Amino acid sequence: LAKTTQPISMDSYEGQEVNITCSHNNIATNDYITWYQQFPSQGPRFIIQGYKTKVTNEVASLFIPADRKSSTLSLPRVSLSDTAVYYCLVGDGAAGNKLTFGGGTRVLVKP
Amino acid sequence: GAVVSQHPSWVICKSGTSVKIECRSLDFQATTMFWYRQFPKQSLMLMATSNEGSKATYEQGVEKDKFLINHASLTLSTLTVTSAHPEDSSFYICSADRTSGRGGTQYFGPGTRLTVL
Repeated sequence: LAKTTQPISMDSYEGQEVNITCSHNNIATNDYITWYQQFPSQGPRFIIQGYKTKVTNEVASLFIPADRKSSTLSLPRVSLSDTAVYYCLVGDGAAGNKLTFGGGTRVLVKP
Repeated sequence: GAVVSQHPSWVICKSGTSVKIECRSLDFQATTMFWYRQFPKQSLMLMATSNEGSKATYEQGVEKDKFLINHASLTLSTLTVTSAHPEDSSFYICSADRTSGRGGTQYFGPGTRLTVL
């Protein structure tokens, strides 16, 4: 399983864009990159998944360079409710493929 | 879509008793489900992989006789904590693997808070 490295924490202010970069130097050819958000005492919530280049949905964008050794989750115009822990995971996406959670990034959005 | 539920959301039990936690995929079928444990201020730790119709696969250090897993249907997996002790108090989270044309994604339940007195 490819290991991921993320910053432990980040502070931001309401209305700003938050970018969290994750390193996954040993990513395999078949691996997808998935980001989850977790609030205290709740299960992780799927945010976005990608394989290469850029993926965008209604809540975030995911940027993946050509070498795929890192990825950046971009949260546009954050609000206080975006304060959470964000996890970057790498896995081949095959049915039954298990994921290994790293420490995640604790994002604090201030007013 | 991709909703996973857990029941109960919290449970308090006495030491030595057994507790069963249910995990259901409500709007999709999941051949594989996963069980995680999370202690305060820590990340999720995978306990076991639950496969429908077959035995679960446990991670190293997880006692299979203490944490019984049953995956009897494509929408239900159960985790039973047998002879629970205070050190088993934790937040237990399940996930269900939903496979699409391009690969699988795990969707997580809301978690179950277990407190053993």
